[in-house]
Amino acid sequence: AQSVTQPDIHITVSEGASLELRCNYSYGATPYLFWYVQSPGQGLQLLLKYFSGDTLVQGIKGFEAEFKRSQSSFNLRKPSVHWSDAAEYFCVVNAGGTSYGKLTFGQGTILTVHP
Amino acid sequence: ETGVTQSPTHLIKTRGQQVTLRCSSQSGHNTVSWYQQALGQGPQFIFQYYREEENGRGNFPPRFSGLQFPNYSSELNVNALELDDSALYLCASSSDRSSYETQYFGPGTRLLVL
Repeated sequence: AQSVTQPDIHITVSEGASLELRCNYSYGATPYLFWYVQSPGQGLQLLLKYFSGDTLVQGIKGFEAEFKRSQSSFNLRKPSVHWSDAAEYFCVVNAGGTSYGKLTFGQGTILTVHP
Repeated sequence: ETGVTQSPTHLIKTRGQQVTLRCSSQSGHNTVSWYQQALGQGPQFIFQYYREEENGRGNFPPRFSGLQFPNYSSELNVNALELDDSALYLCASSSDRSSYETQYFGPGTRLLVL
């Protein structure tokens, strides 16, 4: 069955530390891949997306993600975390084709940032 | 440019009642998608509307129905409310129904069913 998995429910990092959020997907072909962030009062916001080409994708707020076909992964990274990055992060997949706008969300990873 | 707006922000209903949630899409967008986000879960796709036609549906029963108007705003209707329908309902608009188009989300309507 098609699925997207975020293994870490909750991650805590210190401000200034590096961050990596994991995401694995299970689809027949390479799907369209996204990372969204959800903050209280801010709604869901797109950080970055990948369709094809360069496997390292740059996004907003200093985030980047790397697509690894062999591992069916699309991990999100940031070299230095800021307190304002505390939020919930969702790895999101669209299977393409006749899926049109159907986004499938992972369970989410809650990020806590310590000062 | 006005973003995606939803109304109301909060709603309390009782089991068996019906509810209508509204969404105004971002200017220039002709596609609206609806999602249900239960507490502690990721959003789940309910359906999408493209130019006033339903363009895909997730695993939700027929009591979840929708509508898109000529100005591309949209409504989500839920009949015979159940306790499990308590959730945050999110609307997203995009400039096209294509898989790669960015979906812009509204702030959501939080529904509580008692």
